[in-house]
Amino acid sequence: NAGVTQTPKFRILKIGQSMTLQCAQDMNHNYMYWYRQDPGMGLKLIYYSVGAGITDKGEVPNGYNVSRSTTEDFPLRLELAAPSQTSVYFCASRQGNYGYTFGSGTRLTVV
Amino acid sequence: DQQVKQNSPSLSVQEGRISILNCDYTNSMFDYFLWYKKYPAEGPTFLISISSIKDKNEDGRFTVFLNKSAKHLSLHIVPSQPGDSAVYFCAASDGATNKLIFGTGTLLAVQP
Repeated sequence: NAGVTQTPKFRILKIGQSMTLQCAQDMNHNYMYWYRQDPGMGLKLIYYSVGAGITDKGEVPNGYNVSRSTTEDFPLRLELAAPSQTSVYFCASRQGNYGYTFGSGTRLTVV
Repeated sequence: DQQVKQNSPSLSVQEGRISILNCDYTNSMFDYFLWYKKYPAEGPTFLISISSIKDKNEDGRFTVFLNKSAKHLSLHIVPSQPGDSAVYFCAASDGATNKLIFGTGTLLAVQP
């Protein structure tokens, strides 16, 4: 009963480096989401997907890219890391109108 | 443009008393509202939801009230317990966009 799994849990990047945050769900959910949480700012939607092969921008997509080649996986790519991308990143999935299921987060620091 | 607002960053309540967390929204297209609870170093967990066709939904100690005319919802926890201490996020969605928009959260501290 894994739910939504995010890796890594922590990462420190240097400015200009790139990395991929992994997200996988085993519930066969069609919808998947990436959020970032900054202190005092709640969760902001970066990208989302309504099914394999379909992705769309959220509120704060700049500096990120996503892909959805399978139902299970929804990786988030940072190409040129910037200090403004220091945040906690959450992946979520849902099916129908039930509550979203969130992963435990990836804490990213860009120095 | 903050479409979902939680104006109280923090709330402190005595154990056994009622906790009331408030949330306001601006988008009249929102038709589904949810509350999430978040502990440090964990992802948010779903608590309770309400559809716009209802004005109240109850689940054990948790009740959510929706006032559509005022674009306001609230979460009542009674009786409050120390284990309820966490950050509570209000969130809203509309069926057309498939997006969930979150408020900034309220940190609830329940004192023993």
